[in-house]
Amino acid sequence: SAVISQKPSRDICQRGTSLTIQCQVDSQVTMMFWYRQQPGQSLTLIATANQGSEATYESGFVIDKFPISRPNLTFSTLTVSNMSPEDSSIYLCSVEPGLGFTEAFFGQGTRLTVV
Amino acid sequence: AQSVTQLDSQVPVFEEAPVELRCNYSSSVSVYLFWYVQYPNQGLQLLLKYLSGSTLVKGINGFEAEFNKSQTSFHLRKPSVHISDTAEYFCAVSDSIYGGSQGNLIFGKGTKLSVKP
Repeated sequence: SAVISQKPSRDICQRGTSLTIQCQVDSQVTMMFWYRQQPGQSLTLIATANQGSEATYESGFVIDKFPISRPNLTFSTLTVSNMSPEDSSIYLCSVEPGLGFTEAFFGQGTRLTVV
Repeated sequence: AQSVTQLDSQVPVFEEAPVELRCNYSSSVSVYLFWYVQYPNQGLQLLLKYLSGSTLVKGINGFEAEFNKSQTSFHLRKPSVHISDTAEYFCAVSDSIYGGSQGNLIFGKGTKLSVKP
């Protein structure tokens, strides 16, 4: 399994600013994922972050808006850039713990409110 | 394309009562099904999963779910709930057996279970 620490747990930000969310894992993992959960909506995959390569973004998400870093096998950041109220969501980090695992492990999420 | 529908956004129940949280899916290929639970201020935690074999799957905390292919359903049940079961429950589907661990999950909108004393 994997223990995931996500920071910050919540934040209130002004529109037009940026927020960087950190995800730290207690073991080395190949794949890390970032999800968004908008109010009243399901979780949606934003991007997949593999160490040593550019993140792969899902349809509707772009690097300029959601730049991702993956400097090593235990850490990743997601930045929400030039925020607007529509970016108010819960952002979750998830990891693939290793070969053979069939379920994902999630961080506790970052609850972002943009005012 | 796959999709997941959780028919109830909120389910209030009294303690020790039975509960069923409904989940229907659509998929043109083989599916692998998951239920996750999110307790307040915590991350998602796997409750149970169906990959193959017996259609009745037992998970943690006394929950179980039954895969019904003809009705394309994967409803979650517990015979007697506790206050501590108050949480949000997410049904998810993948077309890959490793989808749950590889970001290839389609989630429902979640059902908030509220257990009252």
